[in-house]
Amino acid sequence: AQSVSQHNHHVILSEAASLELGCNYSYGGTVNLFWYVQYPGQHLQLLLKYFSGDPLVKGIKGFEAEFIKSKFSFNLRKPSVQWSDTAEYFCAVNAPPGVGGSQGNLIFGKGTKLSVKP
Amino acid sequence: ETGVTQTPRHLVMGMTNKKSLKCEQHLGHNAMYWYKQSAKKPLELMFVYNFKEQTENNSVPSRFSPECPNSSHLFLHLHTLQPEDSALYLCASSQVMTSNEQYFGPGTRLTVT
Repeated sequence: AQSVSQHNHHVILSEAASLELGCNYSYGGTVNLFWYVQYPGQHLQLLLKYFSGDPLVKGIKGFEAEFIKSKFSFNLRKPSVQWSDTAEYFCAVNAPPGVGGSQGNLIFGKGTKLSVKP
Repeated sequence: ETGVTQTPRHLVMGMTNKKSLKCEQHLGHNAMYWYKQSAKKPLELMFVYNFKEQTENNSVPSRFSPECPNSSHLFLHLHTLQPEDSALYLCASSQVMTSNEQYFGPGTRLTVT
């Protein structure tokens, strides 16, 4: 069964600090990978996604993530965080629908809460 | 604007009440989902509907009863809930047989007293 691990429960940074949030998944086959963000009081929004091709994926608001297949990882990065990046970040993975009988359902990690101090 | 709306946004109910949560998607998708989000736990997939047919029931207690009358609407009927059912209930939609990029609604914050 697929599972997703996010290493940090809560990360506290000062503005302009660099960010890296870890995500590891357990599934040996082809996967689609996602990062979602949930700002306080708001709905889950897609930050970026990886399906195939260039393993370095750029998303909205200056975020990027790198897929390293050999490490089963999809870490999220941002060179310089802002106070407005305070939110909870969720990594998710699925096997593409139809591959190996997959329904394509997303498996989420527990989330990492990011607090950015002004 | 999310494209997926949920009502009500907040709900407080007693353990003997019956209530329903509603979700509507305006994205032309054909799959809809219910998730439960509790503190310090991963999002828990509850139900999946593809083309109005339920394709997944993730061992959810029968006190939660989903209904999908068409591909744009999804309901979650609640009865005789327990305090541990208090959580944020999220609805999502996607296009079946694509990458399964899901779009989420704002959720219903449910408190069971």
